[in-house]
Amino acid sequence: DTGVSQNPRHKITKRGQNVTFRCDPISEHNRLYWYRQTLGQGPEFLTYFQNEAQLEKSRLLSDRFSAERPKGSFSTLEIQRTEQGDSAMYLCASSHSGGLLEFGPGTRLTVL
Amino acid sequence: GESVGLHLPTLSVQEGDNSIINCAYSNSASDYFIWYKQESGKGPQFIIDIRSNMDKRQGQRVTVLLNKTVKHLSLQIAATQPGDSAVYFCAERVNQGAQKLVFGQGTRLTINP
Repeated sequence: DTGVSQNPRHKITKRGQNVTFRCDPISEHNRLYWYRQTLGQGPEFLTYFQNEAQLEKSRLLSDRFSAERPKGSFSTLEIQRTEQGDSAMYLCASSHSGGLLEFGPGTRLTVL
Repeated sequence: GESVGLHLPTLSVQEGDNSIINCAYSNSASDYFIWYKQESGKGPQFIIDIRSNMDKRQGQRVTVLLNKTVKHLSLQIAATQPGDSAVYFCAERVNQGAQKLVFGQGTRLTINP
């Protein structure tokens, strides 16, 4: 296993469109996290899963955002009706319970 | 170039010199702190961590200092190399159960040849 992978790496979309990102965590990690990073800022927590259960969601995660981890392995993050303010890097991380978070390379979203 | 509204602190040092990057954290209850390095187009990469019951921890060419009295962290990088050029973030763990991290703003370190 070579680490956390994310697809696509870049996504350009028009305002109002829906987008979906995928994260494949390190295979033995039971926890999966989504963070958002805007230019010049540190990553901000969005949500996390333990196995398939979504245990916490940030207030940053509006009702246009939904994340799933149906089988406790890969996860998807969907943004509906994208807005220009959604433009950011979306980072996925995984860990063992209580272990170090390992981040993926991120998906950079640009909303035109 | 930098965008309007971007206030990323920057630090430039000569190759071979030592560098110190500082960070203030917000939550006095945080029990664990991490320094991450982020290169352009990549995700954050772990450098070194420290628990709140310690005040210093050393790694290979890196040292983290923790001052809980003033809620301050620093990262010292010895004998800097061109590959050290990156943005460095400190992060504090605010929820031990969830492993939720709160990141600082970041410092851009540039190593001049």
